[in-house]
Amino acid sequence: NAGVTQTPKFQVLKTGQSMTLQCAQDMNHNSMYWYRQDPGMGLRLIYYSASEGTTDKGEVPNGYNVSRLNKREFSLRLESAAPSQTSVYFCASSSGLWNSPLHFGNGTRLTVT
Amino acid sequence: GNSVTQMEGPVTLSEEAFLTINCTYTATGYPSLFWYVQYPGEGLQLLLKATKADDKGSNKGFEATYRKETTSFHLEKGSVQVSDSAVYFCALSSRMDSSYKLIFGSGTRLLVRP
Repeated sequence: NAGVTQTPKFQVLKTGQSMTLQCAQDMNHNSMYWYRQDPGMGLRLIYYSASEGTTDKGEVPNGYNVSRLNKREFSLRLESAAPSQTSVYFCASSSGLWNSPLHFGNGTRLTVT
Repeated sequence: GNSVTQMEGPVTLSEEAFLTINCTYTATGYPSLFWYVQYPGEGLQLLLKATKADDKGSNKGFEATYRKETTSFHLEKGSVQVSDSAVYFCALSSRMDSSYKLIFGSGTRLLVRP
């Protein structure tokens, strides 16, 4: 029962470097999401993909890009990392039906120095 | 816009004590309400949900009732255990153009001492 798998678990970047966070789900879910978690601020939505082939901005999209590679995979890219992007990043998926729960991965802890 | 407000933590209790974590919300329409739990080093897991007014969600001894008149969804448990130590998030569903998202509160850390 893998559920939602995120890689890597930890990453340290220097300012200006780029990287891609990977996410895959094996539940045949239509919708996928990227959130960031910061102390005292809960989780904030970065981007989401309602279905394969579509992506849309969430609350805090600046500095990020996403790709819905296929139904299973949804990646998040930082083109030029900044210290303000130091955070824990969570990928989630859902069936997309109203009121269906989100299933979360275990997160990627990113530090930008 | 839609939002969720949770009581600030940490909440520290002794084992077998009664737990209440307050959650209030602001929303248009009729959102569904959720409680998620996050154990150290893990992602969020759904704890319980309620989809309409007066519904009670329950799981693992936790309960929460959807109160439309007070716009609240407080989490309760009659007797907490050390294993309940975690961060608890209240959330509401909010429609987007082609899907929906969850809007989360800031989280409440619970620490249960033996």
